[in-house]
Amino acid sequence: GAVVSQHPSRVICKSGTSVKIECRSLDFQATTMFWYRQFPKKSLMLMATSNEGSKATYEQGVEKDKFLINHASLTLSTLTVTSAHPEDSSFYICSAKLAEGVPQETQYFGPGTRLLVL
Amino acid sequence: GQNIDQPTEMTATEGAIVQINCTYQTSGFNGLFWYQQHAGEAPTFLSYNVLDGLEEKGRFSSFLSRSKGYSYLLLKELQMKDSASYLCAVMDSNYQLIWGAGTKLIIKP
Repeated sequence: GAVVSQHPSRVICKSGTSVKIECRSLDFQATTMFWYRQFPKKSLMLMATSNEGSKATYEQGVEKDKFLINHASLTLSTLTVTSAHPEDSSFYICSAKLAEGVPQETQYFGPGTRLLVL
Repeated sequence: GQNIDQPTEMTATEGAIVQINCTYQTSGFNGLFWYQQHAGEAPTFLSYNVLDGLEEKGRFSSFLSRSKGYSYLLLKELQMKDSASYLCAVMDSNYQLIWGAGTKLIIKP
């Protein structure tokens, strides 16, 4: 159980375009989802916390107008990178927290999306 | 500030035992997690400790000492597939996960 999927797994886009990444919890309801980015050989950096039906909470230094997050249902959150630039190229990973379960605070991660902006 | 320290890289031999240490200084404590991350993939959950002591799960065990701000992940009977990065993460008083930079474990035949 506790499977999280992400789509797409890889995307290459031109500078200036927008890219949408989907994160789905497949076999459980996730009231809270998290979006991370990870640079090579670096740890995870939390970008924002997404709660179903409310606005996302962004970490300091993350532009909310550039990284649009929508958590429309208990099983789906989307991250849209708007007007992408080469410096946005990174590995984006979502995670979902079980609404119930032991331990309750465990985050289950999607497989990640590798974004390359040319 | 909040800080998680773990070694950058470790090397071990197939079939042997390795211990990966993690020390932390956080504002409050609501548990410590260990995740495994293979290159190019997302992390997968290994263990969770919130009380002092050793939690054993197959070849992997995790230990916690809250008074010392210290945890370790013990991997026994190492296999080549255990080559990965191991991430230590602590949940602070606000239930925010504070992540370590990860320990890259290299297994040699």
